[in-house]
Amino acid sequence: RKEVEQDPGPFNVPEGATVAFNCTYSNSASQSFFWYRQDCRKEPKLLMSVYSSGNEDGRFTAQLNRASQYISLLIRDSKLSDSATYLCVVNLDTGRRALTFGSGTRLQVQP
Amino acid sequence: DTAVSQTPKYLVTQMGNDKSIKCEQNLGHDTMYWYKQDSKKFLKIMFSYNNKELIINETVPNRFSPKSPDKAHLNLHINSLELGDSAVYFCASSQDRLTSGRFGDTQYFGPGTRLTVL
Repeated sequence: RKEVEQDPGPFNVPEGATVAFNCTYSNSASQSFFWYRQDCRKEPKLLMSVYSSGNEDGRFTAQLNRASQYISLLIRDSKLSDSATYLCVVNLDTGRRALTFGSGTRLQVQP
Repeated sequence: DTAVSQTPKYLVTQMGNDKSIKCEQNLGHDTMYWYKQDSKKFLKIMFSYNNKELIINETVPNRFSPKSPDKAHLNLHINSLELGDSAVYFCASSQDRLTSGRFGDTQYFGPGTRLTVL
């Protein structure tokens, strides 16, 4: 099992649609969870952290399910500018002091 | 003002050459990283330095040698370049939150260096 696993997609959705991505992680002791966004030929940028109680930032909602070891990202009212690759990122082991990145889920929002 | 900068942005070189990539951050962070993103877009950590001290050294060929002259700079030197070294190399930095025991938090990435070995 991969340490951090995502469906690579692509997810092709029309503008205005709601889309959700899931990500599973291998270590139940993982402490920190994030979603990063990476545009084509650009660097990854933090989209949002994921907190235990779930959190929302505008059209984006992140949830954490520790029992099932997955995190999710929900995007409402998709915009063309949301087209990108979304990277699930987990600090699998705080002692190692490193983040582990999933391979990303590609989203293409179409007009 | 660029928070994390890397030079060069593109690097095309022949097999067997030695090359360096430089990284600087002006965020005042104490931890810096090098990542490799291959053609399948998988981002893998290579090295991490905290206050100039090497804290992560993944299974990377010893042809790759990081150097941190101070906590704002982390350079990557690669000897005897091979075809398989072709990738995008990203530098990143973060501020470790030692009081909360959280490490590797919110990382800020440089624009990447696209290395092509011919």
